[in-house]
Amino acid sequence: AQKVTQAQTEISVVEKEDVTLDCVYETRDTTYYLFWYKQPPSGELVFLIRRNSFDEQNEISGRYSWNFQKSTSSFNFTITASQVVDSAVYFCALGSNAGGTSYGKLTFGQGTILTVHP
Amino acid sequence: GAVVSQHPSRVICKSGTSVKIECRSLDFQATTMFWYRQFPKQSLMLMATSNEGSKATYEQGVEKDKFLINHASLTLSTLTVTSAHPEDSSFYICSARDPSGGAWETQYFGPGTRLLVL
Repeated sequence: AQKVTQAQTEISVVEKEDVTLDCVYETRDTTYYLFWYKQPPSGELVFLIRRNSFDEQNEISGRYSWNFQKSTSSFNFTITASQVVDSAVYFCALGSNAGGTSYGKLTFGQGTILTVHP
Repeated sequence: GAVVSQHPSRVICKSGTSVKIECRSLDFQATTMFWYRQFPKQSLMLMATSNEGSKATYEQGVEKDKFLINHASLTLSTLTVTSAHPEDSSFYICSARDPSGGAWETQYFGPGTRLLVL
């Protein structure tokens, strides 16, 4: 069975602070994908990143960066110099590449509510 | 990029009525669509996998007679909540996979439908 744990239920920071959102996953698959999504109050999921289990390179996109550590089954997300517009719920998700009935399904973490205060 | 739409975006109904939610892929043919449910301040939970031309596959604990799924064409999947009750009030989100790509490279989420049953 697959599982994604986001231990931080809520995080509150002041604008311009850096913040890291943790994600730990469990899977028996040898190949899988990891995702981060942002969900603003409107509810629509905003895709942030997809990472293949074979690719452990860290990635940076503007103020966003991701640290994939396969050895610890973690895929953490850091926002540098946070802004008020970053306030949202952030979900980490795991997708199986195992085929069969698991193909294409996403398992989401519980989500982390990030509030950035001015 | 590809777009997935949902209709309606919001619906309020009386207890006991049935509600139909549509999920459309606007510029690609989706052989597989997924339906998720999200209760307030909770994570997204996969309800079922909708396959064009065949029966949907439901996740454990999801009542197939309660949540009817029809994937009659390559661009449309519908979720009907039959005899809705207040506990069915939730945010329903669909996702669609573009089969021209891999399972993950081309999966897109709809904007969601908020259902409130009075």
